Amino acid sequence: NAGVTQTPKFQVLKTGQSMTLQCAQDMNHEYMSWYRQDPGMGLRLIHYSVGAGITDQGEVPNGYNVSRSTTEDFPLRLLSAAPSQTSVYFCASRAGGYNEQFFGPGTRLTVL
Amino acid sequence: AQSVTQLDSQVPVFEEAPVELRCNYSSSVSVYLFWYVQYPNQGLQLLLKYLSGSTLVKGINGFEAEFNKSQTSFHLRKPSVHISDTAEYFCAVMGTYKYIFGTGTRLKVLA
Repeated sequence: NAGVTQTPKFQVLKTGQSMTLQCAQDMNHEYMSWYRQDPGMGLRLIHYSVGAGITDQGEVPNGYNVSRSTTEDFPLRLLSAAPSQTSVYFCASRAGGYNEQFFGPGTRLTVL
Repeated sequence: AQSVTQLDSQVPVFEEAPVELRCNYSSSVSVYLFWYVQYPNQGLQLLLKYLSGSTLVKGINGFEAEFNKSQTSFHLRKPSVHISDTAEYFCAVMGTYKYIFGTGTRLKVLA
């Protein structure tokens, strides 16, 4: 069991570039989420999914897109990177009900 | 909407001393509460959770938390901390479909 994997670990972008952060889980979890972590602000939810084909916005969705075509994968797309998107991004997954979330190791993104 | 407040952004404590990290939540009919720990340069991992039943919840690494409905609190405690407990700790409440996290408390254990 690899758990939740994220690629890349580090990324530097220029303003206006686009990219996709990859997230995959091998635990057959229904729920997957993307968070960003900024100093003093904790984890803020960007988008989440309750199953393949079903996604919804979290509290900070602007500038990000997601899709969930399979149970395993939940990529996060930055459409046109901005310096305000410099952050550490975490993907997480969990089974249904009131179960714990399992987190990936994170992607550290810098936008210049 | 549900929310959590972590009252302390940083807590320094000497090794082998007790520690309490505070968390308050907004009231709701059903409350499901969690504490997660994040060691440097890692993702988060679950310390403990409260879903129902006994209000005193024991977790990994000697941590425990007490659910107090009247004070809407879920404070995390450890009677004797180690250097290895230095990390950031997050309180979270589960809402409909999603978690809501607090802003975190950075625990620094001093030798």
